Amino acid sequence: AQSVTQLDSHVSVSEGTPVLLRCNYSSSYSPSLFWYVQHPNKGLQLLLKYTSAATLVKGINGFEAEFKKSETSFHLTKPSAHMCDAAEYFCVVSGPDKLIFGTGTRLQVFP
Amino acid sequence: DTAVSQTPKYLVTQMGNDKSIKCEQNLGHDTMYWYKQDSKKFLKIMFSYNNKELIINETVPNRFSPKSPDKAHLNLHINSLELGDSAVYFCASSQDPYTIYFGEGSWLTVV
Repeated sequence: AQSVTQLDSHVSVSEGTPVLLRCNYSSSYSPSLFWYVQHPNKGLQLLLKYTSAATLVKGINGFEAEFKKSETSFHLTKPSAHMCDAAEYFCVVSGPDKLIFGTGTRLQVFP
Repeated sequence: DTAVSQTPKYLVTQMGNDKSIKCEQNLGHDTMYWYKQDSKKFLKIMFSYNNKELIINETVPNRFSPKSPDKAHLNLHINSLELGDSAVYFCASSQDPYTIYFGEGSWLTVV
């Protein structure tokens, strides 16, 4: 069965410092993995996706994630946080017929 | 133009009432979904329709009934509302299983 675990429910960073949001996955086959972002009172927006091409995936707004099969991880990073990055982030793995969402990581950015 | 639009955005209603949430997508996608996000931000699929045909029906009380009059519309009707139905309901659409476009959500509060 497919599942994802987001290791931190809450991450706080200062503006201009790097962001790391951690995600581990479990899958019985080669998975597709995604990161979605949800700003307050908004819907979810796709940040980036991995579908068995390059292991380093670049997304929108300067985010990127690296697929590491040996570590079963798909961590999301950004070199320098902006205030507008404050949001909820979801790591997602593809199931046989649907997407399976992690429990979310709330990113706070302090000035 | 909004790609996936749902109405109403906010809905407050009393227990026992019946209510509907409407969803429309103008992306030409064949597949539409309803997701439920609870107070802890956990997101779970409820239903999936492909070209007006029900594909996924998760373990959802039969008080919830989706209706798809055409492939651009997927409405959610809820009978005999209960306090536990309070949540954010997201409509979404996709052309492939892995790139899903979400609406902005409908905040349902049952009092």
